[in-house]
Amino acid sequence: QVQLVQSGSELKNPGASVKVSCKAFGYTFSNSAINWVRQAPGQGLEWMGWINSNTGNPTYAQGFTGRFVFSLDTSVSTAYLQISSLKAEDTALYYCSRDPPSGWHFDYWGQGTLVTVSS
Amino acid sequence: QSALTQPRSVSGSPGQSVTLSCTGTNSDVGGYNYVSWYQQHPGRAPKLMIYDVDKRPSGVPNRFSGSKSGNTASLTISGLQADDEADFYCSSYAGSYFYVFGTGTKVTVL
Repeated sequence: QVQLVQSGSELKNPGASVKVSCKAFGYTFSNSAINWVRQAPGQGLEWMGWINSNTGNPTYAQGFTGRFVFSLDTSVSTAYLQISSLKAEDTALYYCSRDPPSGWHFDYWGQGTLVTVSS
Repeated sequence: QSALTQPRSVSGSPGQSVTLSCTGTNSDVGGYNYVSWYQQHPGRAPKLMIYDVDKRPSGVPNRFSGSKSGNTASLTISGLQADDEADFYCSSYAGSYFYVFGTGTKVTVL
C-alpha cells in the first residue's frame, strides 16, 4: 500500500542546515508530486510548495524561497527538504504529502519530522 | 496567498451534526472545485476526509460530507462521535499549481 516514510527528528543549532527525507512506497514515484507542509508548534498547516517527481521542478510558496530547497533521488523514490541558515522560527513539524495523479489534494501523508532549532 | 478562514472552534453533542465553514476568495475556493478537508488528531499526521468539494475517499464514513457555495466551502459531520474530536483543515487549489490551507477548526464533542 502507499506509504510515505520520513526521517527522524532533528535538533540543530541556529545557522546550521537540515535535510529531511521522505521515502515513498507502494506506487510509481514519478507519477505523483510531493508536497511539503509545515506545522509550527500549536499552529495550523502551512503549504510550503511541491516538487514534480517526474521532472524535479520545484514550486515554492511565498515565504519559502531562498533557504528552502526541494529535491529528489528517483533511484530510491525519495524526496528531500533542505533548510539552510536555520532560525528558531523554523522549529516545526514538517510533513511530506502526495498529490495523486490528476488530483488536486493530498491523499497520503508522511508521519512528520520534527525539526527543533535551539542553541 | 492568505490562509482560508475557518472558525476557531465548533462543538456538538454525540449524535448531533456540526458544520464547519471555510471561506476564501474567487482566486481559490470560489474559482475551483478543488476543496479538500483534512482531520488531524493530536500528535498524528493529517488524514484526507473530503476532496474535490464533496468526494469521500474509500474508508471515510458517509457521516462526513462536503459542499460549496460561492467562496465558502463547508464540511458537515453527522452523527457526531467521540473519535471525531480533532482539528480539521480545509485546503483549496489556488491556481498556477499553488495551494492554500485554512486556519483550522477544533471540533469538540461535548
